[in-house]
Order: sequence, then C-alpha cells, then structure tokens
Amino acid sequence: ETGVTQTPRHLVMGMTNKKSLKCEQHLGHNAMYWYKQSAKKPLELMFVYSLEERVENNSVPSRFSPECPNSSHLFLHLHTLQPEDSALYLCASSPGSQGAGNTIYFGEGSWLTVV
Amino acid sequence: EDQVTQSPEALRLQEGESSSLNCSYTVSGLRGLFWYRQDPGKGPEFLFTLYSAGEEKEKERLKATLTKKESFLHITAPKPEDSASYLCAVLAGGYQKVTFGIGTKLQVIP
Repeated sequence: ETGVTQTPRHLVMGMTNKKSLKCEQHLGHNAMYWYKQSAKKPLELMFVYSLEERVENNSVPSRFSPECPNSSHLFLHLHTLQPEDSALYLCASSPGSQGAGNTIYFGEGSWLTVV
Repeated sequence: EDQVTQSPEALRLQEGESSSLNCSYTVSGLRGLFWYRQDPGKGPEFLFTLYSAGEEKEKERLKATLTKKESFLHITAPKPEDSASYLCAVLAGGYQKVTFGIGTKLQVIP
C-alpha cells in the first residue's frame, strides 16, 4: 500500500457536473496538500492543511473547494469546471507545515479531463 | 520571489553515458532542496533532501550535490529505466512554501 492514496485515478466530467477527488495518507503526517500539474508548467500549490493553519493560493478559482475532515483525509470538491482545468491533480503529505526537512510525499495523482 | 530553474529541459543519453542535471535557485533562507523522479502519468517519487551547501547524497546511480546557488543531480552510467522527469524543489523562509522547477525530462536510449 502506498503512503498517499488518491481516487479516482482518472475522471472525465462535464462543465456542469459536481465531483470530488479523494486522498488518504497512511504516513502519520500532519500536513496535506493539493497540487495542480499542467504540461510544461511547475507544480502549482493549491491548498495546504496542517495542524497550525490552512493556506490557500489566492489565484485558485472558487470552483475548487477543499475539505480536510482529519489529518489523514483530504478532498477536493469540483463544480462548474472549465476545460482549462484539465490537468493532473496531486495530493501530498508531509510531517508538518514548518521546519527544515519537511519532505513532501506525493500520491499517484488524479487525471482530470473537463469536456 | 523564490525562483527555481532547471536545465536542460530535456536530455537524451545513450545507455552508460554519464551526465548531470542542474537546478539553480534564488531564495531567501533555504531550508531544504528536494529532488524527485516522476514517471509519465504518475506522481513525483521522492529521491533526496539536501539541507546545506557542500552536502551530497547518493542512491544507486544518482548523486545529488548542493552549493549556495545550485544543485546538481549526477547520473552515472544511466540505464533505460532511469528515463523519467526529474523535478527540483526548494523550501525557503520560515513559511511552508515549496517552489518547484519545471523539471528535466531524461531519456536513456539502449
């Protein structure tokens, strides 16, 4: 079993649909993340949840809504997406949000296609 | 603003032909530099963390080094299974913010 598990691995949705991506980490970490990866662009941090705080990238549209019910689970709720939102969405976790050596571990990603 | 630049964008090597990938960074207060390997369609796989200039880490055919301005990922006698994208990222300042480079896509030809 991998440390960070994402479901579904592939998702195709229409622009009027509502769907959710799910992530679970089995590493005992205290921080969880959503990243977006588009072709020929660096990984873009969308949201961070930790014991200390929740951090949002202010450039993320409101059609993306995160939910973190506990330190092991993270969701990304999607609604009224646009075709340009098609990308690989990566969930990740790390031991904590502060301090040196805070290595981030990624899941396998969820491929999202908006049609 | 923190910046991470990786070069080259793509690299094609013959099997056994050693080379290096570069990651140059501009940050205030480096707290860690990370290397990841990413296979197509998969999430990044953690390789190394480097904390201070002069530090080196090795894993099989890979060796990562760090200076005050850049990091190198040396690949010795690569094999086709080393073909992947290699991502560099930095953690800087007192705030949890990791900045990623765009990556180097490595292809090793038998």
